[in-house]
Amino acid sequence: AQSVTQLGSHVSVSEGALVLLRCNYSSSVPPYLFWYVQYPNQGLQLLLKYTSAATLVKGINGFEAEFKKSETSFHLTKPSAHMSDAAEYFCAVSEGYSGGGADGLTFGKGTHLIIQP
Amino acid sequence: KAGVTQTPRYLIKTRGQQVTLSCSPISGHRSVSWYQQTPGQGLQFLFEYFSETQRNKGNFPGRFSGRQFSNSRSEMNVSTLELGDSALYLCASSYADRLTDTQYFGPGTRLTVL
Repeated sequence: AQSVTQLGSHVSVSEGALVLLRCNYSSSVPPYLFWYVQYPNQGLQLLLKYTSAATLVKGINGFEAEFKKSETSFHLTKPSAHMSDAAEYFCAVSEGYSGGGADGLTFGKGTHLIIQP
Repeated sequence: KAGVTQTPRYLIKTRGQQVTLSCSPISGHRSVSWYQQTPGQGLQFLFEYFSETQRNKGNFPGRFSGRQFSNSRSEMNVSTLELGDSALYLCASSYADRLTDTQYFGPGTRLTVL
């Protein structure tokens, strides 16, 4: 079964600084990887998705993530943080139906991103 | 294209009652999934419906049930509510495969059990 670990439940960066949110996964098959963002009192919104087409994935709002198989990582980055980026970010991994099991999609615990003015 | 809608947005119930939550997916989406989100447990998968059939189920007691209608709208029901059922319940729709397709989430229903 797949699993995902997000390092750091809270990350604080200054406005204009680099944003780096860490995600490590485990999977027995080539995974599908997702980053979602959740703003207060809202549902989750997809930022980007990795499906093996390219290791560097560009998403919305200037975010991107790089798939590193050797490190089993899929860290999310943004060159310059904006105040509007303050939100909860979730990494998720799926093995597709080849992975079997009832819940083939696993979400991390989330990282709360705080932007300091 | 209209997004995923969930009703009601907020609910307050007492222990022992039952509750029904509703979800309307994006037009054309046939897969509807339900999640429970709490501060302690994070996002936990409840079940997924596809073409009116439950396709997958998470590890929740039988008090949690759901169904899907022919127009893909879905409802979930929780019977004999417990304090621990207080959570944000999220509905997500995808075109066909929630494990590989993008899921589009609704704003959630905030359930408080007193």
